[in-house]
Amino acid sequence: DVKVTQSSRYLVKRTGEKVFLECVQDMDHENMFWYRQDPGLGLRLIYFSYDVKMKEKGDIPEGYSVSREKKERFSLILESASTNQTSMYLCASSLVSGGAQPQHFGDGTRLSIL
Amino acid sequence: AQSVTQPDIHITVSEGASLELRCNYSYGATPYLFWYVQSPGQGLQLLLKYFSGDTLVQGIKGFEAEFKRSQSSFNLRKPSVHWSDAAEYFCAVGASGTYKYIFGTGTRLKVLA
Repeated sequence: DVKVTQSSRYLVKRTGEKVFLECVQDMDHENMFWYRQDPGLGLRLIYFSYDVKMKEKGDIPEGYSVSREKKERFSLILESASTNQTSMYLCASSLVSGGAQPQHFGDGTRLSIL
Repeated sequence: AQSVTQPDIHITVSEGASLELRCNYSYGATPYLFWYVQSPGQGLQLLLKYFSGDTLVQGIKGFEAEFKRSQSSFNLRKPSVHWSDAAEYFCAVGASGTYKYIFGTGTRLKVLA
C-alpha cells in the first residue's frame, strides 16, 4: 500500500515566519502534489512536481514555493507566512503522469498562522 | 471550462438507508473519474475510479458509482449506510495527458443512528 507521510499533523506559526511542510512517499512515485483545502472551496492545487528538481505551478502558487531534491520527498515552503495561509495542506503522489492515475494522499497538515 | 459540481453540500441519512451522492462534470474529452472519502482529520482515501468499459464501478467499503455520459454524471451509491460512513466525499475528474485533477467542493455526509 502506498504511504504518503506528512511530517506534522498540526502546526502553529507566526506571521512573517518561513514555514516548511514536508511530505514523503514510499512507493517510488514520479509525481507529487501540494494542495490546499478550505471549507466550501474543495482542493486547490498549489504546486506539482513530475520529477526530481522539476516543478510546475498549480492554481494558487502565490506566496508558496516547493523543493524536490529527492524523488520521495516534496517540501512546501511558505516564504513569509500570512494569516490568509491558515488552512489544511494535503500532499499527494501518483505513479506516472496522466489523469488516469489515482492520487494517494497524506493525512494533511493543519496550519495556523497567528 | 472544465468543472466538477457536487450539488449537495450536506446530506443526512439514517443508518441502514440507501445513499446517493451526486457528481456532475463538464469536460471536453473522455474523463477519468474518481470518488474519494475524507474522514475527520484525515487525508483523502480513494473509493473507486472509472477509466473506461463497464459504466458501473465497484469500490471499497461497499460503494459503487455509475458513469452516465449522456448526463455527464458519476453518482456514488451505497445500498445500506453504516455510521462509520459519516465523512466528506469528493468527486474528481482527470484526463489523459494532464496531471491535473479537478475536484468538486465535497458533500458532507451525516449518519443518524
